[in-house]
Amino acid sequence: EADIYQTPRYLVIGTGKKITLECSQTMGHDKMYWYQQDPGMELHLIHYSYGVNSTEKGDLSSESTVSRIRTEHFPLTLESARPSHTSQYLCASSDQGNQPQHFGDGTRLSIL
Amino acid sequence: KNQVEQSPQSLIILEGKNCTLQCNYTVSPFSNLRWYKQDTGRGPVSLTIMTFSENTKSNGRYTATLDADTKQSSLHITASQLSDSASYICVVSDRGSTLGRLYFGRGTQLTVWP
Repeated sequence: EADIYQTPRYLVIGTGKKITLECSQTMGHDKMYWYQQDPGMELHLIHYSYGVNSTEKGDLSSESTVSRIRTEHFPLTLESARPSHTSQYLCASSDQGNQPQHFGDGTRLSIL
Repeated sequence: KNQVEQSPQSLIILEGKNCTLQCNYTVSPFSNLRWYKQDTGRGPVSLTIMTFSENTKSNGRYTATLDADTKQSSLHITASQLSDSASYICVVSDRGSTLGRLYFGRGTQLTVWP
């Protein structure tokens, strides 16, 4: 089993709240990723990082922001949550080269 | 446009039966193809990864095939078990960037009945 953890697993919160989704990995991987997944749909990359102090936006436009201050930690923040942010958010990490990405179990976010 | 298409969208089989899931892709230039299993409420877990030169790769009861000429892959599951019920996702990586950009299919939802 891959050692990548996401918290919380589920979050139901009201519109306008600030939210931080946590993601940590203990494998020492340089690359980390955030994906958004809706039911029956493909995963969409919203942020990625090559390493500490490196963050890039992915393919899907997102109002969220990320930071990478430590190798093992890659939190995602929504400053003001809206119902359109309701989705499942998956964090992943990988080593260099073609190693398969290891995924966390996701955070299912519901904005009321 | 780089795409990954999977079929069928959903499949129901009886325990002990075999099944084959399909993946067609248009991603170019091709780097590798991965099959993931995603249980309900969990993150995807890698089953196999295949590069351009590999035609077949097995992982227990899972056997993946790749035809790079026709840009098709299949995932064959032998002697299915109830625990095989999950979404199976085909993911293709290109080699046009240092990131190794991944293109995800929408998955095939497999249900195994007793």
